[in-house]
Amino acid sequence: DTEVTQTPKHLVMGMTNKKSLKCEQHMGHRAMYWYKQKAKKPPELMFVYSYEKLSINESVPSRFSPECPNSSLLNLHLHALQPEDSALYLCASSQALGDNEQFFGPGTRLTVL
Amino acid sequence: AQSVTQLGSHVSVSEGALVLLRCNYSSSVPPYLFWYVQYPNQGLQLLLKYTSAATLVKGINGFEAEFKKSETSFHLTKPSAHMSDAAEYFCAVYSSASKIIFGSGTRLSIRP
Repeated sequence: DTEVTQTPKHLVMGMTNKKSLKCEQHMGHRAMYWYKQKAKKPPELMFVYSYEKLSINESVPSRFSPECPNSSLLNLHLHALQPEDSALYLCASSQALGDNEQFFGPGTRLTVL
Repeated sequence: AQSVTQLGSHVSVSEGALVLLRCNYSSSVPPYLFWYVQYPNQGLQLLLKYTSAATLVKGINGFEAEFKKSETSFHLTKPSAHMSDAAEYFCAVYSSASKIIFGSGTRLSIRP
């Protein structure tokens, strides 16, 4: 299995809602990533987990809360988001932190009303 | 610090014509370089990567890229464009901070 899967594909939420994005991989990778991609822009790194521990936080607002419950799963908990947080959220994984090849999931298209 | 610059935010070619997407890099150390493709409403797919083994790198879907140190370039080419090649293409470099740094992207359009 060489796939990174993400659910849901699309999510619409209000500014007072709490929701979660999920990412899963079964390639035995030990590093997992969250990226945010605005329309017509490149992906921007948000968080990196290595061996289920948060390794990099790119100064992301606390309304985004990542979680890595095990080596195959990565969640992104969302609370009190703003309309400007609407974007495509991409998950990726690599064999280990420092491995240069990352495998990307299809993304979750988030709309905040 | 490593970075990449993609020249041209939009490139349009006729079906069957040569595709050339330009990327220049900046790096003080031998870089790891990538080209990714993103089809509409999808994630990123790795087309090819340069890791210093060979300067001409062949990728998927008939694409290839040549690493030219003297020009600090890593341009992406395909001899004959197909309608299915229409997508956004990102050049990227792997940084020393365990991060991938993406260029701004080039949208490739194919004219029938």
